[in-house]
Amino acid sequence: SQTIHQWPATLVQPVGSPLSLECTVEGTSNPNLYWYRQAAGRGLQLLFYSIGIDQISSEVPQNLSASRPQDRQFILSSKKLLLSDSGFYLCAWAPTGANEKLFFGSGTQLSVL
Amino acid sequence: RKEVEQDPGPFNVPEGATVAFNCTYSNSASQSFFWYRQDCRKEPKLLMSVYSSGNEDGRFTAQLNRASQYISLLIRDSKLSDSATYLCVVNKGTNAGKSTFGDGTTLTVKP
Repeated sequence: SQTIHQWPATLVQPVGSPLSLECTVEGTSNPNLYWYRQAAGRGLQLLFYSIGIDQISSEVPQNLSASRPQDRQFILSSKKLLLSDSGFYLCAWAPTGANEKLFFGSGTQLSVL
Repeated sequence: RKEVEQDPGPFNVPEGATVAFNCTYSNSASQSFFWYRQDCRKEPKLLMSVYSSGNEDGRFTAQLNRASQYISLLIRDSKLSDSATYLCVVNKGTNAGKSTFGDGTTLTVKP
């Protein structure tokens, strides 16, 4: 069966510090991979998605970047965090072409202080 | 206007009650529809897909009305464990990155 791992679960970072969140998927090949952010009490905002290695699409202009160095690894990064980067970050995967049924990692609660 | 709109609630119901959530979407080209459940500070989990013919999974029934561009979720015989936020998701195609999430409807089931 497929599993998705995301870490860390919580992170407190000072403004201006770098960020690296990692997500890996097991039990499937060539998944679509996603990074979402959720503000408190709000729905999910798509940040990046990837349909293959080194193929990244960005949905909104922002202070973040994503990379997919391996088929089942998706990394979310920032060189300098802003206060507005605080939120709940979720990695997800979906089978290719399957009407985008999303399966989420357990999330990272990021607080930028 | 948001692409996907939900009544945020909260809905506070007693155990055993029947509760219904609605969700409207603005893009008539939308192709697939889902309900997700999200517990506090946890990841969303797929609850069920929604089809025009309606589909049922135990106490949960989902319905799609394409003409009026809304989907619904009905929960019968509510349990305390049903307390969560329910997210409506609309997908514009089978390519990646086409899903739009509603802000969610919060349900609290009380004893």
